[in-house]
Amino acid sequence: KAGVTQTPRYLIKTRGQQVTLSCSPISGHRSVSWYQQTPGQGLQFLFEYFSETQRNKGNFPGRFSGRQFSNSRSEMNVSTLELGDSALYLCASSWGLWGQEQYEQYFGPGTRLTVT
Amino acid sequence: AQTVTQSQPEMSVQEAETVTLSCTYDTSESDYYLFWYKQPPSRQMILVIRQEAYKQQNATENRFSVNFQKAAKSFSLKISDSQLGDAAMYFCAYRSANRGSTLGRLYFGRGTQLTVWP
Repeated sequence: KAGVTQTPRYLIKTRGQQVTLSCSPISGHRSVSWYQQTPGQGLQFLFEYFSETQRNKGNFPGRFSGRQFSNSRSEMNVSTLELGDSALYLCASSWGLWGQEQYEQYFGPGTRLTVT
Repeated sequence: AQTVTQSQPEMSVQEAETVTLSCTYDTSESDYYLFWYKQPPSRQMILVIRQEAYKQQNATENRFSVNFQKAAKSFSLKISDSQLGDAAMYFCAYRSANRGSTLGRLYFGRGTQLTVWP
C-alpha cells in the first residue's frame, strides 16, 4: 500500500508570497495532521483535518490555513510568508477514529520550505 | 497541555553496545499512548515502538525496548546491539486517548541525536 506523499518536496519562496503544500494520505485514512519542524522550535502541531473538517488546531497565526478534500487529500496554505516560516512541513495520516488512537500516525517525507 | 521532555540533546554509542535514551512527560490524563519515532537524515519519521499507558508490561520490538514508569511519567528507550543504521534523531511523543482531547495530535519532545561509532 502506498505511503503518505507530499508535494512539492522542496520550495523556495520570497517574503510576502503565499504557498500551498499538498499531502495525500494512505488509502483509507481519514485524518491528516500537519506539523512544522524547525531547529529552534522543534516539531509543532499546526492542525488536523478529519472528514473535510478541521478537528484540532495548534497555536499558529491565521496566516496558516488548511483544508481537506473528499478523497482525504489535504492542503495547507501559508499567506504573507515570513523568514521564520522556513521549515520542514510534515504531514501525517491515520485512521482518526476513537478506539484506534493506539495506531501510529504515518508520516510523509516532508516539504522543505525556504523563505528568502 | 501535555509536555514531553528529552533532556539529552545528543548521545553516542559504540557499535554493538547498548544505549538508553530518556524521556519524561507531564500529563493529567490517565489514558494515553507513548511513542518513539526515529528520523534519519532523510527526514522520514519512522515509528520505532509504542506503549499503551494501561499496559504495565514494557513494549519490545527486536533490539528496541522501553522502560515505562507511569507513576514517574518516564518513558526511556533502550537500543541493544546498536548498529550504524540506528544513527538518527529520536523523538519521544505523546498521544491522548481521552475522547475529549485532541486525537490527531502528537506532542513531541525536542529530540535526541544519536551517533553510532564503528
